[in-house]
Amino acid sequence: EPEVTQTPSHQVTQMGQEVILRCVPISNHLYFYWYRQILGQKVEFLVSFYNNEISEKSEIFDDQFSVERPDGSNFTLKIRSTKLEDSAMYFCASSPWTGVSPLHFGNGTRLTVT
Amino acid sequence: DQQVKQNSPSLSVQEGRISILNCDYTNSMFDYFLWYKKYPAEGPTFLISISSIKDKNEDGRFTVFLNKSAKHLSLHIVPSQPGDSAVYFCAASGSGSARQLTFGSGTQLTVLP
Repeated sequence: EPEVTQTPSHQVTQMGQEVILRCVPISNHLYFYWYRQILGQKVEFLVSFYNNEISEKSEIFDDQFSVERPDGSNFTLKIRSTKLEDSAMYFCASSPWTGVSPLHFGNGTRLTVT
Repeated sequence: DQQVKQNSPSLSVQEGRISILNCDYTNSMFDYFLWYKKYPAEGPTFLISISSIKDKNEDGRFTVFLNKSAKHLSLHIVPSQPGDSAVYFCAASGSGSARQLTFGSGTQLTVLP
């Protein structure tokens, strides 16, 4: 069964550094998402992406965050200058359309900012 | 902002019995509801969904019930198996341009052998 893959599984970075989290969505999916889960908290929506542009973003997704689909398969989340509070699990998800269709999630990248 | 609430952080059930996980929502614009299962160190895995035009959806051992007037949904697992032990998240979406999901806080289900 096709799946969403994320790399790396764990990233440790120092405060102020830039990080790029990578995702390969399911190949025939058109809608892409990033979510995050801070330890002990809910899974929270960050951003959705369709047709090479952001569809919606939450208030968490400020100017420090950006997303890109640099080629036909990868979907990346960049955090420009990491803060301690960015430490979380980051999940990529994809969906074939925005009708009533479930999102398929990757296994996540655990980001630790020290 | 607790638009989707799962009031029970944990539930223990004997193997073979029914597990009932509950979820409440407040946003009347939600029209699609999902249950995800999550194991440690893995992403949420889709289990079952229901749209607001239905009140029940069944898939094998899993049944989701939706009570729109009460803004309540539940997931029934019958019979429960030890492999069902995981965190279960309720999620909801409305008819936005990208249908992002709003998640509940999750319920840890433990099925005892």
